[in-house]
Amino acid sequence: KAGVTQTPRYLIKTRGQQVTLSCSPISGHRSVSWYQQTPGQGLQFLFEYFSETQRNKGNFPGRFSGRQFSNSRSEMNVSTLELGDSALYLCASSFLGAQETQYFGPGTRLLVL
Amino acid sequence: GNSVTQMEGPVTLSEEAFLTINCTYTATGYPSLFWYVQYPGEGLQLLLKATKADDKGSNKGFEATYRKETTSFHLEKGSVQVSDSAVYFCALNAGGTSYGKLTFGQGTILTVHP
Repeated sequence: KAGVTQTPRYLIKTRGQQVTLSCSPISGHRSVSWYQQTPGQGLQFLFEYFSETQRNKGNFPGRFSGRQFSNSRSEMNVSTLELGDSALYLCASSFLGAQETQYFGPGTRLLVL
Repeated sequence: GNSVTQMEGPVTLSEEAFLTINCTYTATGYPSLFWYVQYPGEGLQLLLKATKADDKGSNKGFEATYRKETTSFHLEKGSVQVSDSAVYFCALNAGGTSYGKLTFGQGTILTVHP
């Protein structure tokens, strides 16, 4: 089976712009989670989607949003980018989003100038 | 809330040395516990997991035992290799309404010298 894929792998934006990141889960997986990884804060949970519904959300401002499509692919959007949004954004998929293993993609590295 | 605490890094070892990375957790209920590894420029790879008390997860010579009495899940390897140099993360999923949410420790950088 193909693994989790994320596009693009690298992105450079300027403050105030918005960005959309994409994640394709492992075939058959219906849960997609998103994480932000920074040197200062480590790995932090953004949100989780299952069957096109957001079931769980981390402690991030409303500028961070996401959605999931009927084929389980997911996108996350960050509006009005700030310098502090520079990070590696990781998505992970699992079958049900319960306590089973999550499988991670390679991440999208976002740099905000 | 739920939390994971890992030993401070970085950890520097010589090849064939014994490795221990400590991990303790705070969670209600019965979390599942995981160790992930991250190589430079890559995402996270599952190293091993345990889903209930006294379970031992193992993979590629690494082992960790789910100890509910001490709320710990320490990672061990008997003989490390240069190729084990990476960042190691301990994580938990608390279950219940924690859909799709892993709570991570801060990560431990491991460097193995020949």
